[in-house]
Amino acid sequence: DAGITQSPRHKVTETGTPVTLRCHQTENHRYMYWYRQDPGHGLRLIHYSYGVKDTDKGEVSDGYSVSRSKTEDFLLTLESATSSQTSVYFCAISVIYSPSILHFGNGTRLTVT
Amino acid sequence: EDQVTQSPEALRLQEGESSSLNCSYTVSGLRGLFWYRQDPGKGPEFLFTLYSAGEEKEKERLKATLTKKESFLHITAPKPEDSATYLCAVQGPGGGADGLTFGKGTHLIIQP
Repeated sequence: DAGITQSPRHKVTETGTPVTLRCHQTENHRYMYWYRQDPGHGLRLIHYSYGVKDTDKGEVSDGYSVSRSKTEDFLLTLESATSSQTSVYFCAISVIYSPSILHFGNGTRLTVT
Repeated sequence: EDQVTQSPEALRLQEGESSSLNCSYTVSGLRGLFWYRQDPGKGPEFLFTLYSAGEEKEKERLKATLTKKESFLHITAPKPEDSATYLCAVQGPGGGADGLTFGKGTHLIIQP
């Protein structure tokens, strides 16, 4: 168990509203990631972080922003949610001795109506 | 662009009926191939990493193998608790975990 908690687990929101998803880890890992998972697609990287205030874009970053002001928290924000952002969002960490292996949280199911 | 294709999309087996899942990939300079298991409502869970052609890894009823073009996940005498979606991912030369490309997965159902 990599000690990853995602909140909320489920959320329904309306088009155009801002939404923030939270990923919290308890083991001080440096690298954190946000992925989305959709039917017909593999997991796709949205943004990742390699330390406090150090973040970078992934494959599908348009419409998303992230922040990491503390090691333990990585926030994903949809500034103005759209129906195409309905998805399951997973946070992951990688550990320093196995940097390519991801350990995932249990996801947030987001529905944008 | 790295590509990963998993087949079949879904597979239904009887308990004890052995089979294999396929992960075909194209990547310029494979650094690693990863298998994950995902249960409904949960995040993926790491199973294996393979680094070079000919390598094999085993865990209980699962064995992963790697060639220069594909990987197989062999399931021997499966049990209902092996039912899950199995994901394959490849890492190219570009980076760490931020450089992974995932396949769409194989949904495996083991019937008692």
